[in-house]
Amino acid sequence: DAKTTQPPSMDCAEGRAANLPCNHSTISGNEYVYWYRQIHSQGPQYIIHGLKNNETNEMASLIITEDRKSSTLILPHATLRDTAVYYCIVRVGNSGGGADGLTFGKGTHLIIQP
Amino acid sequence: DGGITQSPKYLFRKEGQNVTLSCEQNLNHDAMYWYRQDPGQGLRLIYYSQIVNDFQKGDIAEGYSVSREKKESFPLTVTSAQKNPTAFYLCASSTHGQLEKLFFGSGTQLSVL
Repeated sequence: DAKTTQPPSMDCAEGRAANLPCNHSTISGNEYVYWYRQIHSQGPQYIIHGLKNNETNEMASLIITEDRKSSTLILPHATLRDTAVYYCIVRVGNSGGGADGLTFGKGTHLIIQP
Repeated sequence: DGGITQSPKYLFRKEGQNVTLSCEQNLNHDAMYWYRQDPGQGLRLIYYSQIVNDFQKGDIAEGYSVSREKKESFPLTVTSAQKNPTAFYLCASSTHGQLEKLFFGSGTQLSVL
């Protein structure tokens, strides 16, 4: 699986857009980018995933560069409840296995400031 | 409500003692996983199971054991051979092959007395 690099921490003002970067320069053609987040003392929660195209759901948007070597998770209007550790994970998708789960690195600790 | 339940929330282990962490899901998921998380660190995979009566070692299986006798249940035993068991333990489940739908329990904090 491709390795990912994320900043260890970031701050964002409440109500502003939070943009969380992730580098995955060794990503393969069949690997997806997944984002999860973990609020303190809870289990991680799925946010969004994508392969090539940009994706949007009710929680966030995922922007993947054309060369797929990096991506950005966007929380459009951050609230205090968005304070959490955000994990960027690269993994072969559904048809490629995945039976052994996902590998979670240290992620980015996003702190939303009031 | 469908979900994944871990118990207890907090657990204390004495030296030389085995303890078992419970994980139950009613999501009809095939795959189940156990992760360990140390403070300020990511999650490390201990064991996983794709189907009943079958399970595989993850990256840090030494000192742990599991069973998968029922689809709904995947208990983890922390044995006395695990010399540094203090950590936050997370159980997860997913429909086989759908990684985006990995559901986690709320975790068990294990501490050594």
